[in-house]
Amino acid sequence: DAGVTQSPTHLIKTRGQQVTLRCSPKSGHDTVSWYQQALGQGPQFIFQYYEEEERQRGNFPDRFSGHQFPNYSSELNVNALLLGDSALYLCASSELSGTGALYGYTFGSGTRLTVV
Amino acid sequence: GDSVTQMEGPVTLSEEAFLTINCTYTATGYPSLFWYVQYPGEGLQLLLKATKADDKGSNKGFEATYRKETTSFHLEKGSVQVSDSAVYFCALGEVTSGTYKYIFGTGTRLKVLA
Repeated sequence: DAGVTQSPTHLIKTRGQQVTLRCSPKSGHDTVSWYQQALGQGPQFIFQYYEEEERQRGNFPDRFSGHQFPNYSSELNVNALLLGDSALYLCASSELSGTGALYGYTFGSGTRLTVV
Repeated sequence: GDSVTQMEGPVTLSEEAFLTINCTYTATGYPSLFWYVQYPGEGLQLLLKATKADDKGSNKGFEATYRKETTSFHLEKGSVQVSDSAVYFCALGEVTSGTYKYIFGTGTRLKVLA
């Protein structure tokens, strides 16, 4: 059983460009959350998707947007990239938002984004 | 708002030494508490969890007890191995507007020497 799959694994973009990161949740999971992990820091919550809707957003600007598809996979889009957007972007999935309390989320290996 | 504070690393130990990584939290409600581990170049793996006060989470020789009175969730292991070298994150899970999310500490890097 595949866990959470993220693509691409690494990406280099130029300031001002736009990027799309992809996530396939673990089989049986329908809730996807995105986190940003800057170098040497803990992950920061970006937003969560459930039933194809954004349920909650962390303290991130509107340049960060997302989407969830009917098959529960998700995309994270970042527009007008800044140098400070360089980070590891992690996708986490669970079956229903509330069960994260009981079982923990399953994290993917992340996409390493470098903005130059 | 809710927050998690971890001891700063790096922590360097010899193989078979005793490990403690301190974690304290601030929360208005009754969060669940987690320890995640991140090996080089990888994502986060759930190490252990506790969902209520006095619960003890354990896995692979690691333990942590949810202490409400001291708002702590310290990670311990009696005898570390070189393979335990990684970054360890303490996290609390909170529900806001019906959505469950994590708040992570900044992580503690552990290096175990043979």
